[in-house]
Amino acid sequence: GEDVEQSLFLSVREGDSSVINCTYTDSSSTYLYWYKQEPGAGLQLLTYIFSNMDMKQDQRLTVLLNKKDKHLSLRIADTQTGDSAIYFCAESVKGSNYQLIWGAGTKLIIKP
Amino acid sequence: ETGVTQSPTHLIKTRGQQVTLRCSSQSGHNTVSWYQQALGQGPQFIFQYYREEENGRGNFPPRFSGLQFPNYSSELNVNALELDDSALYLCASSLGQGANTEAFFGQGTRLTVV
Repeated sequence: GEDVEQSLFLSVREGDSSVINCTYTDSSSTYLYWYKQEPGAGLQLLTYIFSNMDMKQDQRLTVLLNKKDKHLSLRIADTQTGDSAIYFCAESVKGSNYQLIWGAGTKLIIKP
Repeated sequence: ETGVTQSPTHLIKTRGQQVTLRCSSQSGHNTVSWYQQALGQGPQFIFQYYREEENGRGNFPPRFSGLQFPNYSSELNVNALELDDSALYLCASSLGQGANTEAFFGQGTRLTVV
């Protein structure tokens, strides 16, 4: 079956880089996504990567995909207090009406 | 702000009751998906509607049902509420169903079943 796993917490100092990791099991995934959820807010799409790519960069965000190991990471450069949130990894799986399978989320904690 | 609005924002119901949650899609979006997010977990896909027809369903019992209207707004209905139905219910709208189309989420309805 499909499964997406993430660490529950990550603590970094303001100004450092944050790296949030995710592993997934379904090799037929087509797109992989990173969403951000702030308290009391809905889910915000940060970035996504197609499964035939291995890297995507968008300003402070870098996504790395290792398809062989089924490992996805999100790097946030120069982490700021406004980056405090829960980050969800999700995959869309071909053949399932493109429903998203989600991880449990990683809470990013910023230390001053 | 995404333009997707959900109502109500909070709701308390008693076990066995029925509930209807509402979602207004972003203008022009013809696809709506509903998710259940239990505390401390990621969202779980309930179902998706595309142009008023159910287009896919997750692992939820038939007492979870939905509708999409001609203006593409949507309802989620849950019958015979159970304590485990307590969760944040999220609606997401998109233009089309493809995996590369961005889904915009509402802020959710927090349902508490007592």
